[in-house]
Amino acid sequence: SQTIHQWPATLVQPVGSPLSLECTVEGTSNPNLYWYRQAAGRGLQLLFYSVGIGQISSEVPQNLSASRPQDRQFILSSKKLLLSDSGFYLCAWSVRTSAVNEQFFGPGTRLTVL
Amino acid sequence: AQSVTQLDSQVPVFEEAPVELRCNYSSSVSVYLFWYVQYPNQGLQLLLKYLSGSTLVKGINGFEAEFNKSQTSFHLRKPSVHISDTAEYFCAVSLLFGNEKLTFGTGTRLTIIP
Repeated sequence: SQTIHQWPATLVQPVGSPLSLECTVEGTSNPNLYWYRQAAGRGLQLLFYSVGIGQISSEVPQNLSASRPQDRQFILSSKKLLLSDSGFYLCAWSVRTSAVNEQFFGPGTRLTVL
Repeated sequence: AQSVTQLDSQVPVFEEAPVELRCNYSSSVSVYLFWYVQYPNQGLQLLLKYLSGSTLVKGINGFEAEFNKSQTSFHLRKPSVHISDTAEYFCAVSLLFGNEKLTFGTGTRLTIIP
């Protein structure tokens, strides 16, 4: 069966510090991968998605970036965090070859920027 | 482009009472429809999905939803709620073609009152 991992589970970082969140998927090949953010009291915002290694689509302009160095690894990064980067970050995957874009979510990372 | 509207940001319901969470969508083409549930500090879990066929879809935890094409709605219902149903519920749509992304509603927080 497929599983998705995210780490760390929680993170507290000072403003201006760098960020690296990692997401890995097991039990599937060539997935589509997604990064979402939930700010407090708000819905899901799609940040990035990837349909293959090195292929990243950005949904919103921001100081975050994403990379996909391996087929089942998706990394969210920032060089300098802002207070507004605080939130709950969710990684998700879907079957690329499926006609139905059902997405499967990881457990999330709670990021607090102070 | 498609969009999803969840008009109710919060819904309080007494335990063992019925509940309906509303979802309306807008799209110029046919869509797939999903309901996800998010328990506190966790990722999203699929409750149910409508792909085709019967307009009444049954999901996990006793939930069901009915697709109404003429009203472009996909409301979620449960005849008798339990304390454990306290969570955030998200409606989402995906196009039948060009299926790389899901479009999510802003979510409805369901609170069960003992």
